[in-house]
Amino acid sequence: AQSVTQPDIHITVSEGASLELRCNYSYGATPYLFWYVQSPGQGLQLLLKYFSGDTLVQGIKGFEAEFKRSQSSFNLRKPSVHWSDAAEYFCAVGDGNNDMRFGAGTRLTVKP
Amino acid sequence: KAGVTQTPRYLIKTRGQQVTLSCSPISGHRSVSWYQQTPGQGLQFLFEYFSETQRNKGNFPGRFSGRQFSNSRSEMNVSTLELGDSALYLCASSLERGATEAFFGQGTRLTVV
Repeated sequence: AQSVTQPDIHITVSEGASLELRCNYSYGATPYLFWYVQSPGQGLQLLLKYFSGDTLVQGIKGFEAEFKRSQSSFNLRKPSVHWSDAAEYFCAVGDGNNDMRFGAGTRLTVKP
Repeated sequence: KAGVTQTPRYLIKTRGQQVTLSCSPISGHRSVSWYQQTPGQGLQFLFEYFSETQRNKGNFPGRFSGRQFSNSRSEMNVSTLELGDSALYLCASSLERGATEAFFGQGTRLTVV
């Protein structure tokens, strides 16, 4: 069965600094990979997704992620963080049948 | 176009009662999935409905059930509520099964007292 590990529960970065959120997955076949963001009391918004092709994917709000099969990783990056990026970020792996398994999430705090 | 609509947004119930939550997917979307989000367990998949049939089910007791109507709207029901059922329940809609993108509603916050 597929599973996701997000090693960092909480990360704090300064506004304008770069960001990398880690995600490791376990899945037997080629995974469907996603990053979602959740603001307090809200649902999840899709930032980006990977199914095949170019291993570097661009998403909304200036985010990107790189799929590394050899490392079973799908880390999320942003070159310069804005205060509005403070939220919880979830990595998810799916099998293409709408059954997604989510990581525990990483809470991002942005210092002014 | 309108997003995924979940009603009600907030709900308080007493232990032992039952509750029904509603989800209206994006127009034209035929697949609806439900997730439970708690601080302790995180986001967990409940079940998926497509064409009025449950296609996939997570590891939850039979007290959790759902259905989907011909217009793709879905309901989930929890019977004999327990304190541990307090959670944010999220609904996600997709165009088809195996779709490459799921859109989430804002969720229903259920509190069991």
